Amino acid sequence: AQSVSQHNHHVILSEAASLELGCNYSYGGTVNLFWYVQYPGQHLQLLLKYFSGDPLVKGIKGFEAEFIKSKFSFNLRKPSVQWSDTAEYFCAVKDAGNMLTFGGGTRLMVKP
Amino acid sequence: NAGVTQTPKFQVLKTGQSMTLQCAQDMNHEYMSWYRQDPGMGLRLIHYSVGAGITDQGEVPNGYNVSRSTTEDFPLRLLSAAPSQTSVYFCASSLGLVNYYNEQFFGPGTRLTVL
Repeated sequence: AQSVSQHNHHVILSEAASLELGCNYSYGGTVNLFWYVQYPGQHLQLLLKYFSGDPLVKGIKGFEAEFIKSKFSFNLRKPSVQWSDTAEYFCAVKDAGNMLTFGGGTRLMVKP
Repeated sequence: NAGVTQTPKFQVLKTGQSMTLQCAQDMNHEYMSWYRQDPGMGLRLIHYSVGAGITDQGEVPNGYNVSRSTTEDFPLRLLSAAPSQTSVYFCASSLGLVNYYNEQFFGPGTRLTVL
C-alpha cells in the first residue's frame, strides 16, 4: 500500500524566513502529487499539484514544490513566509486508483 | 454554489449511540468520499462513491456505513459509536476521477467526540 511521510510534524519560523517542508512517498509507479493547506478552523484547500511536465510546480500564495522522482519526494517551499501562512500542510499522493493517500501533516507556526 | 456542506459541525455521542453525518454537494460531482482526520495521521479514507448507487470501502471502513441514493448526498452512519471514532470527519467530492482538471473539494468538517 502507498504511504506518505512528512517528517516535520511541527515547524516554527519567524516572518520572512524560508520554508521547506518534506514529503516522501513509497509508490514506485506513476503518481500525482498534491499539497493541501488547512488554515485554523477551515477546511482543506489545494495549494498546488503535480501531474506531469516541469517538476517544479508553482501554486497559490507564493508556494512551490519540486518533484524529484529519484528521491520519491515532493517538498514544499516558500522563500519568505508570512504570519498568515500559519496552518497545517498536508502532502497527498494519488497512484493509479482515485484514492488520495495523505501524509500526517506538518503544523507551521509563523511568529510575527 | 454552496460547494460541499456538512452537518452537524460538532457532535458529542455516548458509546453505543448511533448517528448519521450528513454531506451534500451542489456541483453535480460524481465522486464523493469520507475521510477522518486524526492528529499526526493525516486524512484517512473511510468510504467513497463513484456515483449514485455505488460505494466502496477505503482504508478504515470498520464501524461506518454509507449509501448513495442521489448524486448530491453521501451520508456516513456510525452504527454503534466507540471512543476510537472520536475524530474530525471530512467529506470531499470531485467531478470525476481526480486529475489535473478535476480537483477534490472538501467540506468544512464535523468534529465528533465519543465519550
